[in-house]
This record gives sequence, structure tokens and C-alpha cells, in this order.
Amino acid sequence: AQSVTQPDIHITVSEGASLELRCNYSYGATPYLFWYVQSPGQGLQLLLKYFSGDTLVQGIKGFEAEFKRSQSSFNLRKPSVHWSDAAEYFCAVGTNTNAGKSTFGDGTTLTVKP
Amino acid sequence: EPEVTQTPSHQVTQMGQEVILRCVPISNHLYFYWYRQILGQKVEFLVSFYNNEISEKSEIFDDQFSVERPDGSNFTLKIRSTKLEDSAMYFCASSEVATSGAYNEQFFGPGTRLTVL
Repeated sequence: AQSVTQPDIHITVSEGASLELRCNYSYGATPYLFWYVQSPGQGLQLLLKYFSGDTLVQGIKGFEAEFKRSQSSFNLRKPSVHWSDAAEYFCAVGTNTNAGKSTFGDGTTLTVKP
Repeated sequence: EPEVTQTPSHQVTQMGQEVILRCVPISNHLYFYWYRQILGQKVEFLVSFYNNEISEKSEIFDDQFSVERPDGSNFTLKIRSTKLEDSAMYFCASSEVATSGAYNEQFFGPGTRLTVL
């Protein structure tokens, strides 16, 4: 069974600083990896996804993530954080079966200091 | 761009009442899913559905839950007798049939917030 670990429950960064959110996954086959962002009371917005190919993927809002198979990681990065980036971030792994479910991590809450 | 829609956006109900949450998946999609997110917690898989039957369900999806595709466009989640702990955001998702070995990306709806009083 697949699993996702987001080691950081809460991260605080200053506006303009760089950001890295960690995600480690466990899955026996090729992982399909996602990062979502969620504002309070809102739905899930897909930031980016990795299926195959280039291990550095670009997403919306200036985010990128790097897939490292050797470390079973898919960390999310942003070079310069904006106050509007404050939200909850979820990493998820999907499977390659047709009815395969997505498994989410516990999430990381990002606070941005002015 | 096609999207998954859910109604209502917010449902308030009394404990013990039945609720039906509705979803309209993307029109050419054939796989359907429900997920739940209790406030402040992670998103959890409930059930997947294909060809008018459940493909997989989690331990959360007990006998008080049921799913149905009542017509060609809707996908519903029924909670027979709601409990306080059913209060959560419920997300519907859908995916199309993938070619063999390919990933079947799920597209999520905006969610229905269920409040059980």
C-alpha cells in the first residue's frame, strides 16, 4: 500500500524568502505524485504533478518540485514566497491502476511573515 | 475546461438524518471517487466506483455509507444516519479510462462541507 509523509506540520517563512516543503512517499511501483494547495474552507487546487520524464516539474504560481527516486522524495520549492502563498499544502501519490485511489499526506501549514 | 461539480456547497443536518451529497463528474469519465477531509486533517479516500459497482472502499466506508450513479450524469454519496463525526468536507473526483499501464489522473470537485449538529 502506498503512503505519504510530510515531515513538517508547520513552516513559517518571511515574505520574499525561499521555500521548500518536504514530501516522502512509499509505493512499490512507479509513483504518480502531486502537490495540492488548500486555503481555509476551500477545495484542493492542483499545483503540479509528476508522471514521468523530467524529474523537475514546473507548476502554477511559481512552484516547482523535484522527483528523486533514490530518496523517495518529491519536495516542493518556491524561490520567493508571497503573502498569498499562506495555506495548507498536501502531497499525494496515485497508483497506476484504473480505479487507483490517491493517498494524501498530513499536510504542511505555511505561514508567511511580513 | 471541463470540471467536476458538487452540490450543495454546504449542508447542515441533524444527527441521525440521512444526507445525499451530489456530484457531476466530467462527462467522459468512467471512474468516480469520494474522499473525506475532517477539519484540520488530511484528505482520506472513501470509495471508488466503476461500471456501477464499488471498486475499492476504505475502512471508513461502513454500512452507513452508500454510493450510486442514479443517471448518466450524477454520482451520489448517501450517509444513512449521520453522526457528529461525519462532519467534514467531502470531495468527489473522477477519472477517465486510462490505456494499459498509464496513470488515470483524478480531477477533484470543490467539495461539500457537511455539518452535523
